[in-house]
Amino acid sequence: EAAVTQSPRNKVAVTGGKVTLSCNQTNNHNNMYWYRQDTGHGLRLIHYSYGAGSTEKGDIPDGYKASRPSQENFSLILELATPSQTSVYFCASGDAGDKEVFFGKGTRLTVV
Amino acid sequence: AQRVTQVQPTGSSQWGEEVTLDCSYETSEYFYRIFWYRQLFSGEMVFLIYQPSFDTQNQRSGRYSVVFQKSFKSISLVISASQPEDSGTYFCALSELITNTGKLTFGDGTVLTVKP
Repeated sequence: EAAVTQSPRNKVAVTGGKVTLSCNQTNNHNNMYWYRQDTGHGLRLIHYSYGAGSTEKGDIPDGYKASRPSQENFSLILELATPSQTSVYFCASGDAGDKEVFFGKGTRLTVV
Repeated sequence: AQRVTQVQPTGSSQWGEEVTLDCSYETSEYFYRIFWYRQLFSGEMVFLIYQPSFDTQNQRSGRYSVVFQKSFKSISLVISASQPEDSGTYFCALSELITNTGKLTFGDGTVLTVKP
């Protein structure tokens, strides 16, 4: 079964600190995605990637960087975390034409 | 720009009833897909069903089906014989790019409660 694993699952960070959220997929999918979900709202796309070495900006990229060092791994980096980045972050993978995008279980990030 | 609207923030039903959840969307693309996901109380996203714009037939998958009204840019999720285990938040999502299915625009969801 398709698997997307996120780590850590919970994170508390201090304002101004650097945060790295990691994602690993065993689906051999070319495309990977980072979304955030704020309470009471749907997911919003931050960054995505078409394959190793590629990163693209999504709808809300400000304050975030992404890194795709390999087919399996996709990281989201907050260089200077702010309280407004407190949210739940989801990683996903999928391929062109797929009927389904597979989501990880989410990372709850709190910036204090 | 694309937008997805779910006007029902909450919904409820009794065990065994049919439930309809509504979604409307905006897109200028001819080819697109509409997905329905359910978010469990744990936060996990579960894929339910999708409707491609080029298919005039309403899609079905088990107890889930959709009513696709392309000219009105609306789509409804129908859950037959609802069960308490169906409770959760249901999201409608739009993918404009056939080549990049995962670039999704989500609505804000409908929280469904199915009473025993």
